[in-house]
Amino acid sequence: GNSVTQMEGPVTLSEEAFLTINCTYTATGYPSLFWYVQYPGEGLQLLLKATKADDKGSNKGFEATYRKETTSFHLEKGSVQVSDSAVYFCALTARLQPGGYQKVTFGTGTKLQVIP
Amino acid sequence: DAGVTQSPTHLIKTRGQQVTLRCSPKSGHDTVSWYQQALGQGPQFIFQYYEEEERQRGNFPDRFSGHQFPNYSSELNVNALWLGDSALYLCASSAAGPNTGELFFGEGSRLTVL
Repeated sequence: GNSVTQMEGPVTLSEEAFLTINCTYTATGYPSLFWYVQYPGEGLQLLLKATKADDKGSNKGFEATYRKETTSFHLEKGSVQVSDSAVYFCALTARLQPGGYQKVTFGTGTKLQVIP
Repeated sequence: DAGVTQSPTHLIKTRGQQVTLRCSPKSGHDTVSWYQQALGQGPQFIFQYYEEEERQRGNFPDRFSGHQFPNYSSELNVNALWLGDSALYLCASSAAGPNTGELFFGEGSRLTVL
């Protein structure tokens, strides 16, 4: 079955530091890949996505590139802010035949804390 | 444009009781999925509803059941509650038309079982 493995947290960084959160996946076929973010006390929000190999998803300064050869989708940001403190989830889904999508499978989440 | 709305936001139950959680999907969405998120964990898929039928189900016992109404809203029912059911229950909606499989989440219903 499909699975997602992401680095354990918490990750603590100083403001303006470079961020990398590693994510690797196992899936049949060609899944779509996502990063979701969960701020304290809230539901999950889609941060970025990529739907095919070599696609780069980007949003709010965050980026991730769909690497099929290494089955990875690492999240990066060049300069983090205190407001980026949250839990980040890597996730994937794959198409069903004849239509629709499989359930979205999530990693366990990585908590990021940015200190001033 | 209203997003996904869930109710209630918080509730407390005792072991053996039953609970019903409600969800209204984002406007234009017709597919609803339910997830359970235990503290410090990622969301775990419970089931998905489309056209008022359960289309996919995760590894949850039959105590977890659901329903989808003609207006696409949905309910999650859990019977015979036990302590391990304490979690944040997330509803997510998606569109059946051309899309990339992304989900739109509500704020969740936090269930505490005593």
